[in-house]
Amino acid sequence: EIVLTQSPATLSLSPGERATLSCRASQSISNFLAWYQQKPGQAPRLLIYDASNRATGIPARFSGSGSGTDFTVTISSLEPEDFAVYYCQQRSTWPLTFGQGTRLEIK
Amino acid sequence: EVQLVQSGAEMKKPGESLKISCKGSGYNFIEYYIGWVRQMPGKGLEWMGIISLRVSELRYSPSFEGQVTISGDKSLSTAYLQWSSLKASDTAMYYCARRKLGGPVDAFDIWGQGTMVTVTS
Repeated sequence: EIVLTQSPATLSLSPGERATLSCRASQSISNFLAWYQQKPGQAPRLLIYDASNRATGIPARFSGSGSGTDFTVTISSLEPEDFAVYYCQQRSTWPLTFGQGTRLEIK
Repeated sequence: EVQLVQSGAEMKKPGESLKISCKGSGYNFIEYYIGWVRQMPGKGLEWMGIISLRVSELRYSPSFEGQVTISGDKSLSTAYLQWSSLKASDTAMYYCARRKLGGPVDAFDIWGQGTMVTVTS
C-alpha cells in the first residue's frame, strides 16, 4: 500500500499570503495524484487532478506540481474561503490511498 | 445537474445490519465507477472500495474487505454500501464519489453529500 504523508499538519497564514502544502508518496506514483479541499460540514471537492490540472471551476490561484514522490499544491494569494483541510490522494496503485490532511487555518 | 444523492442519516445498535445508498443523476451512471470513503469523527478520509456496474469490477481496500459489501443496481443508477453486523467503531460519515477510470479527469470529481451512520447501544 502506498502511504501519502502530508506536511505540515497545520498551516497558519493570513489572507493574501501564499500557501504551499506538500504530499510525499512512499514510492513513485508518476503524476497520478489528486488534491481535494474539505470545509467543515461539507463533502470534499476536487481541486487538482493528475498533479497539475485544475478541476472545473477551480480558481487560477490554485496550482499543483510534482511527479514521482513529491507533490505540492500552492495557493498564490489566500482568500478567506480557502481556509479548509486539504487532502492528497493517489490512483497509481490499488488500494487507493489518501494523505492524512493539512489544515489551513487563519492566523 | 450532475449529482450524487445519498440516503439519510442512520442511527443503529451494535449488531444490526444497514444498507445505505448513493443515487446518480444528470449523467450516464454506468460510465463511471462509484467509490466509498469513510470519515470518522474529526479524522481524515479513508478509501473503502469502488465498483463499476459497466465492467462488473469491484475492489476493496484491505482495511475494509470482509467488513462491508459494495453493490449497485444499474436500473436504479444507485450504488450501495452495507454492513451485516454494525460495530460502534463504524460510526462515521460515509461519502460516495464518482470516478471515470482512464477518462480525461481520472479522479473523484463529484461527491455525494454524505451519510452519517451512528452506532450506539
